[in-house]
Amino acid sequence: DTAVSQTPKYLVTQMGNDKSIKCEQNLGHDTMYWYKQDSKKFLKIMFSYNNKELIINETVPNRFSPKSPDKAHLNLHINSLELGDSAVYFCASSFNPLYEQYFGPGTRLTVT
Amino acid sequence: AQTVTQSQPEMSVQEAETVTLSCTYDTSESDYYLFWYKQPPSRQMILVIRQEAYKQQNATENRFSVNFQKAAKSFSLKISDSQLGDAAMYFCAYRWRGNYGQNFVFGPGTRLSVLP
Repeated sequence: DTAVSQTPKYLVTQMGNDKSIKCEQNLGHDTMYWYKQDSKKFLKIMFSYNNKELIINETVPNRFSPKSPDKAHLNLHINSLELGDSAVYFCASSFNPLYEQYFGPGTRLTVT
Repeated sequence: AQTVTQSQPEMSVQEAETVTLSCTYDTSESDYYLFWYKQPPSRQMILVIRQEAYKQQNATENRFSVNFQKAAKSFSLKISDSQLGDAAMYFCAYRWRGNYGQNFVFGPGTRLSVLP
């Protein structure tokens, strides 16, 4: 009965590669998010989609591209991975952009 | 711009005792939500409690309660009868009600240790 799921949970890859992280929610929520948590545990929003429409696009490199094929999915694709991309990436969803968010388990990305 | 501050990077509490985590925020808005999230070592972010700014009554959720002081822009979390499972990072978060394009703002977190 996983509410917000992410795959993979761990991802180790080399610099320059392209990778994707998938996110799915079965809560019937309209809004989904991607966050980056750095080594100091600071949580920073990257993107937010409401009804498949981008509503928040913080200053992130354009190597990061979110894709929302439907309301239940928000995938994150990262091109040309760099060492500084190493972090834990969290997907989250909420009933609408104003309500509390439910988080996935996180994906720990390590770029070597 | 809204900011959220948690002035205590680390705290510890004895099992069964009570601990209060502080959070202050800066906003010029009057209608917003405040949240406390817990992140245990498992890394999962878990919603602990939510407070609507228009409500004067402090939110409670079992052993967790908040002290919401709107004028002071303060939103502290009290954990009563602390348990070993309460050990985690705790994040305070703010969300303005007025604009879908505004994001959640998270504080830097407080690491809580529970001593047996």
